[in-house]
Amino acid sequence: DTGVSQDPRHKITKRGQNVTFRCDPISEHNRLYWYRQTLGQGPEFLTYFQNEAQLEKSRLLSDRFSAERPKGSFSTLEIQRTEQGDSAMYLCASSSDSSEQYFGPGTRLTVT
Amino acid sequence: QQQVKQSPQSLIVQKGGISIINCAYENTAFDYFPWYQQFPGKGPALLIAIRPDVSEKKEGRFTISFNKSAKQFSLHIMDSQPGDSATYFCAASTENRDDKIIFGKGTRLHILP
Repeated sequence: DTGVSQDPRHKITKRGQNVTFRCDPISEHNRLYWYRQTLGQGPEFLTYFQNEAQLEKSRLLSDRFSAERPKGSFSTLEIQRTEQGDSAMYLCASSSDSSEQYFGPGTRLTVT
Repeated sequence: QQQVKQSPQSLIVQKGGISIINCAYENTAFDYFPWYQQFPGKGPALLIAIRPDVSEKKEGRFTISFNKSAKQFSLHIMDSQPGDSATYFCAASTENRDDKIIFGKGTRLHILP
């Protein structure tokens, strides 16, 4: 088990472009979470999947954001028409049926 | 409304000293309180966690003290080492529901060699 992996680790994009991030959770973890972390702040919850079902979305997740977990394994987070305010670290975490969430290394997004 | 308040924002401790970070929460539905350690450029790593049925939990040099009536909990790092220099986040969640973690704003800890 290699832990939670995220790809890419860094992404620089121009304002208005679309970006997609991928998260591969720990195998057999049925819960997957996305968080966003800005500089000097703690991570903030974005959305949560149990298997392939998206069960909750934060108000932080505007209409430009969409997340999927089509087969209950890996997940993607897409941001359309990126804005400078979207610049942040996007973190993925997974867990089994316990509260212990294990985080990936994150994808750092810079919107220029 | 910040549901988990953490202090101090930054902390400098001499090597071998005790580092203490405090947190307070508001939502009485929280029933799981983890602490995460984060190094620059890395994701947060679970350090230690406590549930409100106990008042203290110790793992090696790390101890959580929990005061349910005051809705406060703290992390103590004994014999602090330069390798402990990192950002520490207290957090809270509700088990058996969505388990989404609410994080404090973090404490940047620096241990002087």
